[in-house]
Amino acid sequence: GAVVSQHPSWVICKSGTSVKIECRSLDFQATTMFWYRQFPKQSLMLMATSNEGSKATYEQGVEKDKFLINHASLTLSTLTVTSAHPEDSSFYICSARDSGSGYTFGSGTRLTVV
Amino acid sequence: DAKTTQPPSMDCAEGRAANLPCNHSTISGNEYVYWYRQIHSQGPQYIIHGLKNNETNEMASLIITEDRKSSTLILPHATLRDTAVYYCIVRVATWGGAQKLVFGQGTRLTINP
Repeated sequence: GAVVSQHPSWVICKSGTSVKIECRSLDFQATTMFWYRQFPKQSLMLMATSNEGSKATYEQGVEKDKFLINHASLTLSTLTVTSAHPEDSSFYICSARDSGSGYTFGSGTRLTVV
Repeated sequence: DAKTTQPPSMDCAEGRAANLPCNHSTISGNEYVYWYRQIHSQGPQYIIHGLKNNETNEMASLIITEDRKSSTLILPHATLRDTAVYYCIVRVATWGGAQKLVFGQGTRLTINP
């Protein structure tokens, strides 16, 4: 079946630095990928839709200058958390629309900002 | 906002069928119902999806009411490994064509030995 690889699985960074998270579709091409964040004991919140070759579409309330999304190829989307602060600590998850009607999710990245 | 409503938690005995309800009374005619589950600190796992007809696969069955305002996910023989948060999601179409999954709060299903 479709596989989405997300890297890194966890990262700790200092406040004020930037962190990049990669999301790759391993055995299929994905023109559209999605980025979510999840706080402890809460549901997934959609942050943005990543479109290959064009600008991402951000959900209301999500700062596009803070969460930079790049979808430069049909198999790779990246999320960069810029100038990270402790309140950005969260579980970030990507998903990709596969060739059927399904949406395959990555295993998530736990970001801790200290 | 999510278009679904689910009970926050449910319990089921191991070996029994687990029936998880979902209300989606504002669903549109071309919107699919998806079910995913999430085990702690992992990415969501696809279970099943449907539009109008009932669906069955190796994991579960999906029963959609005729008016499509609600559905039920059935795990026929629940095991301890089925303990997870189950999300019922209505796939939402957006301007520009992207169809996104907006998660609600889900049901925390606990399978008891």
